[in-house]
Amino acid sequence: EDQVTQSPEALRLQEGESSSLNCSYTVSGLRGLFWYRQDPGKGPEFLFTLYSAGEEKEKERLKATLTKKESFLHITAPKPEDSATYLCAVQPTPGGYNKLIFGAGTRLAVHP
Amino acid sequence: EAGVTQFPSHSVIEKGQTVTLRCDPISGHDNLYWYRRVMGKEIKFLLHFVKESKQDESGMPNNRFLAERTGGTYSTLKVQPAELEDSGVYFCASSQVPGRAFFGQGTRLTVV
Repeated sequence: EDQVTQSPEALRLQEGESSSLNCSYTVSGLRGLFWYRQDPGKGPEFLFTLYSAGEEKEKERLKATLTKKESFLHITAPKPEDSATYLCAVQPTPGGYNKLIFGAGTRLAVHP
Repeated sequence: EAGVTQFPSHSVIEKGQTVTLRCDPISGHDNLYWYRRVMGKEIKFLLHFVKESKQDESGMPNNRFLAERTGGTYSTLKVQPAELEDSGVYFCASSQVPGRAFFGQGTRLTVV
């Protein structure tokens, strides 16, 4: 069964303290892996798509990497405005372009 | 560009009543998805439209749920009759590029 597991469930950082979030996945085939950010009371906001092992994407203080079994979201020198829930999702294949399978998310709190 | 819009933002109904959720996707997006997050669980796929056609409804929990997409524009998700376990946040998403979905803010449904 296709599955996505994120760790840790929650993470508290001091401003400027770099860290990484983990997303491990089990799928028959991977069409793409997605990272989303979700703020309270809002829907998920797209951050990155990764398609193949070894691929990396960067946006401001965030960098996402992908291996054959997991993805990492690295946060460098975080600021309080980076506080949010970070969601990882996979799009399995076969299965067309239909569903995203989400992990439960990592709740990140960055304190000044 | 207007984002994905969902109505209502909150709904509280009694068990056995009917509720209809509405989603207006981003103009020009052929793909429309419904997802749901129940308390403490991850976001789960419900179904996928391509224009007005249901592409995949494998995530629909049972026949109390009915989704429609009139003319390939907005979509509705009706729950009839509602049960307590239907409570949760219902998200709609749309995309032109498969997988890179834009999410609405969600409808929080509470069945009492």
